[in-house]
Amino acid sequence: GAGVSQSPSNKVTEKGKDVELRCDPISGHTALYWYRQSLGQGLEFLIYFQGNSAPDKSGLPSDRFSAERTGGSVSTLTIQRTQQEDSAVYLCASSFVGPLSSGNTIYFGEGSWLTVV
Amino acid sequence: LAKTTQPISMDSYEGQEVNITCSHNNIATNDYITWYQQFPSQGPRFIIQGYKTKVTNEVASLFIPADRKSSTLSLPRVSLSDTAVYYCLVNQAGTALIFGKGTTLSVSS
Repeated sequence: GAGVSQSPSNKVTEKGKDVELRCDPISGHTALYWYRQSLGQGLEFLIYFQGNSAPDKSGLPSDRFSAERTGGSVSTLTIQRTQQEDSAVYLCASSFVGPLSSGNTIYFGEGSWLTVV
Repeated sequence: LAKTTQPISMDSYEGQEVNITCSHNNIATNDYITWYQQFPSQGPRFIIQGYKTKVTNEVASLFIPADRKSSTLSLPRVSLSDTAVYYCLVNQAGTALIFGKGTTLSVSS
């Protein structure tokens, strides 16, 4: 597609329920990122996928959070047993990773706004 | 990953030039410097990227001194619509991008 697409754009869920957030990256982009941003806060890195390499999961805040990327394209972020502190906007981004000389410009989606009540 | 330091906030008036400086003392040889802009309720948007000296595009200029331990984003003649958070990042291709808290720029009329 033309840009990074995320769904749902808004999600309200009850505490304790599981949620899945979907990200469809820009076609041809090999790298995919998930970030979280709470109201008035900066971006918190969650997880990074690059090609067939093992993902960098160092930012996942707890084992309730997981993500997968199928076929090197679409990614799903899953939050199990949601808590109120999980309320935030979840941003997905993608990039084409070329040679080291090219830097690493990433493009963001509009985010999925999660509210846990 | 190189840590970046930038002012938490800046104020300006319409028509002025705004310069936001970012420090990145432990930047590595292969690291690039990238700036993003974020408006409320939107994802960050790429502004400009550079490795050394000066880069200019239709939106901004990026000045990087020879030692590359800092960089300055220059926004010419800002308008009210430039009010946003500006993030400075240092990264290598193929690695995760870590965002700091950014600089909140407020432009007044």
